[in-house]
Amino acid sequence: AQTVTQSQPEMSVQEAETVTLSCTYDTSESDYYLFWYKQPPSRQMILVIRQEAYKQQNATENRFSVNFQKAAKSFSLKISDSQLGDAAMYFCACNTNAGKSTFGDGTTLTVKP
Amino acid sequence: KAGVTQTPRYLIKTRGQQVTLSCSPISGHRSVSWYQQTPGQGLQFLFEYFSETQRNKGNFPGRFSGRQFSNSRSEMNVSTLELGDSALYLCASSEGYSGANVLTFGAGSRLTVL
Repeated sequence: AQTVTQSQPEMSVQEAETVTLSCTYDTSESDYYLFWYKQPPSRQMILVIRQEAYKQQNATENRFSVNFQKAAKSFSLKISDSQLGDAAMYFCACNTNAGKSTFGDGTTLTVKP
Repeated sequence: KAGVTQTPRYLIKTRGQQVTLSCSPISGHRSVSWYQQTPGQGLQFLFEYFSETQRNKGNFPGRFSGRQFSNSRSEMNVSTLELGDSALYLCASSEGYSGANVLTFGAGSRLTVL
């Protein structure tokens, strides 16, 4: 069975500081993709960043970057220069070409002004 | 381009009733998947459809069913509602069923069972 674990139910960060959200996963597939999605309060879930497992280079999108450790099956999200608008629930997800997306339980991020 | 549209947004039902939720994907997206979101359980995968065929199903009882129409719109049905079915039901669409595809989510249908 495919699993995704987010060990931090809640995290907080001071505005302008950096925070790292943790995610570990387990899959028997050799070809898979990892995602971080963001769900702001009462708003729709949107993609933050995507990582192809076959790529060694860590994905980056502006202030968001990942630390992908394939051997350790770890996929953490780093948010630099945190902004108030980053406050949301963040979900880590693993997709395979078999079609099923597996999500973690989410991490609620609070940004303090 | 219009986003993923889910209707109704909110609904209240009583135990034993049934409910049908609708999802209209982004134009051109042929894959639709459904998730149940609850505070304690995170996002649980319900099922995925592509070109009117169910490709995957999660670990939910047979009371949960779905279908997809030729225009890619999808519906899910929950029969004999239980209190534990209270949740936010999210629909997501993508162009295809490759694992690389990004999911675009709707706003969800919030179901309360009394």
